[in-house]
Formats: sequence, C-alpha cells, structure tokens
Amino acid sequence: GDSVTQKQGQVTLSEDDFLFINCTYSTTTYPTLLWYVQYPGQGPQLLLKVTTANNKGISRGFEATYDKGTTSFHLQKASVQESDSAVYFCALVDRRTNAYKVIFGKGTHLHVLP
Amino acid sequence: GPKVLQIPSHQIIDMGQMVTLNCDPVSNHLYFYWYKQILGQQMEFLVNFYNGKVMEKSKLFKDQFSVERPDGSYFTLKIQPTALEDSAVYFCASSPGTGGAWEQYFGPGTRLTVL
Repeated sequence: GDSVTQKQGQVTLSEDDFLFINCTYSTTTYPTLLWYVQYPGQGPQLLLKVTTANNKGISRGFEATYDKGTTSFHLQKASVQESDSAVYFCALVDRRTNAYKVIFGKGTHLHVLP
Repeated sequence: GPKVLQIPSHQIIDMGQMVTLNCDPVSNHLYFYWYKQILGQQMEFLVNFYNGKVMEKSKLFKDQFSVERPDGSYFTLKIQPTALEDSAVYFCASSPGTGGAWEQYFGPGTRLTVL
C-alpha cells in the first residue's frame, strides 16, 4: 500500500541556519504530497502541498518540491527562526479510495536555538 | 483559519470502561476523520465518515470502536470497552468536500489514558 518514510527524527539548528528535511514516498496513484507542522498542544496544521513534480509549493518562507524519479520530497527554509521550532510531518494523500486518508511520516522535531 | 474543536482535552479512565471523544468539526465540512497517535509514534488513520456512514476504516479501528454524528452535532468516537492499548492522543479532522477532500483540518487532540 501507500507509504511515507521520514528518517530524520530530530534536527537542531541555530537561528538563520538552512533547514532541509527529506522524505520518500510510495504510491500507485498520482501523488499529492503534504507537509504539516505541529506546535506543542495543537493538532497538525497544513503547511504546504505539492502536486506537480519539480514545482515548488511556498508558504511562510518554507518551500517544498518533489522528485518523481527518486520518489522523494523535501521541505526547506533558507533561514529558520526560533519560532519555527515544532514537529514537521511529511504526508501522502491516499487517493485509492474516496476516503482521502492522510498517511503521515514519523515527524521531525526541529529545535531552533536562539 | 477554520478550527476543529475537541472535548475533552484529557481523559483518564479505567480499563473496561466506556469513553466518548467529541469533535466539533468546521461548519459546512462534509468529511470527518479520526486519527490515533501513540506517544513517540506516527499518527495513523482510524476511520473516515461521510454522509452518515463509515467510508473506510483501518485495522486499528477495532470492533470496540464506533463513530457517529447524530443530527449534525458532535462527531464522536466511542470506545466500549476500553483496553490499555487504547491509550493515545486521538485527533479529529474534517475536510470540505470532493474538491478539497484531502485538505483536512485537525483539532488539538484528546489525550486518552487507560489505567
């Protein structure tokens, strides 16, 4: 079945550092790939979606693209801030049924030091 | 932005008891979901509900689980009876419809502890 792999469990950066988080996916249908951000005590919030290979999704300074050849997609930000500290989940929409369930990666805890 | 509310935020119960988790979805949304997240693990799909019916459920959605949304009120997840392995954070989500069915808005979660 469809799946997502997110191997980076924790990333620690300093303010103004470059952020790069990578995931790989597997699907038998056309992929709709998502990035969610979750702050403490809150539910996941949709940050970005990418539906076309090599086209960027951009939101709040974050960019996301995917590579069909390597079945990978990534999230990046040129200069992180302490307020970006959160858990970031990559995700895939399972389009095989009308349920449109979201398949989540394990999440990357981002800690940005002041 | 649109908000999904969940009540209660925390629930502690004894194994074997019944529990009902409540979700107030975004108004006018048509699709409703429950996800389960065990501490330190990834969030996993439990069930999807549309037009008064379960559309799809995962293997995590045991026979002891049920969902309903009577008369457009809360979307509920009931567990009867509860088991120790049901301890987790349960997230409710809703989405608008076929065009944006994938765009799910999540609530803050209910942390369920089964003793």
